Amino acid sequence: DTGVSQDPRHKITKRGQNVTFRCDPISEHNRLYWYRQTLGQGPEFLTYFQNEAQLEKSRLLSDRFSAERPKGSFSTLEIQRTEQGDSAMYLCASRSELRGWGTYNEQFFGPGTRLTVL
Amino acid sequence: QQPVQSPQAVILREGEDAVINCSSSKALYSVHWYRQKHGEAPVFLMILLKGGEQKGHEKISASFNEKKQQSSLYLTASQLSYSGTYFCGTESANYGQNFVFGPGTRLSVLP
Repeated sequence: DTGVSQDPRHKITKRGQNVTFRCDPISEHNRLYWYRQTLGQGPEFLTYFQNEAQLEKSRLLSDRFSAERPKGSFSTLEIQRTEQGDSAMYLCASRSELRGWGTYNEQFFGPGTRLTVL
Repeated sequence: QQPVQSPQAVILREGEDAVINCSSSKALYSVHWYRQKHGEAPVFLMILLKGGEQKGHEKISASFNEKKQQSSLYLTASQLSYSGTYFCGTESANYGQNFVFGPGTRLSVLP
């Protein structure tokens, strides 16, 4: 257990439905990342937050995806009008902010939410 | 841009050594190595920084060639528990930008 939790762990939905996932990072970590991973591939970056600010969003992310991190604590990832191609594992990771040259911090991953779109 | 990993897969006998490589076309600030077992989240192994600093597990070693933007992960005296998929992740020299994972190297250690 890394200290990062995700909910739900599994989600099955029908095409066209909206889904929302939640990530609770390690409390003192101010950076939070969302990734999508399909079978046999590495995690694909979706977006990341520093505190409550969404600093970067993948160009590959369609407008159907939105993420929030109100108050800089937990984060939610919403997918609207789901498509079968959205089926994947959605991973969340948290990390301390880099401070100064030579400071390095690893990402701590949550267990993921596996989404299946029928 | 996604880093390139090689080999794509490797099969070892317990006790044998392996090297996994990661290269990027971008100037890198850091390289991170993670191991993922089937159905589980990635687990941190090692960070290597531009400038030579490292942070990681005692039994794992790695190198980072800043001139070539390449990193190698060295697995010595492999154990059955080393089996899994190894990913390198890279941060560009403009650190704080997004984090990009490679496609992974699948390692199987047989008894």
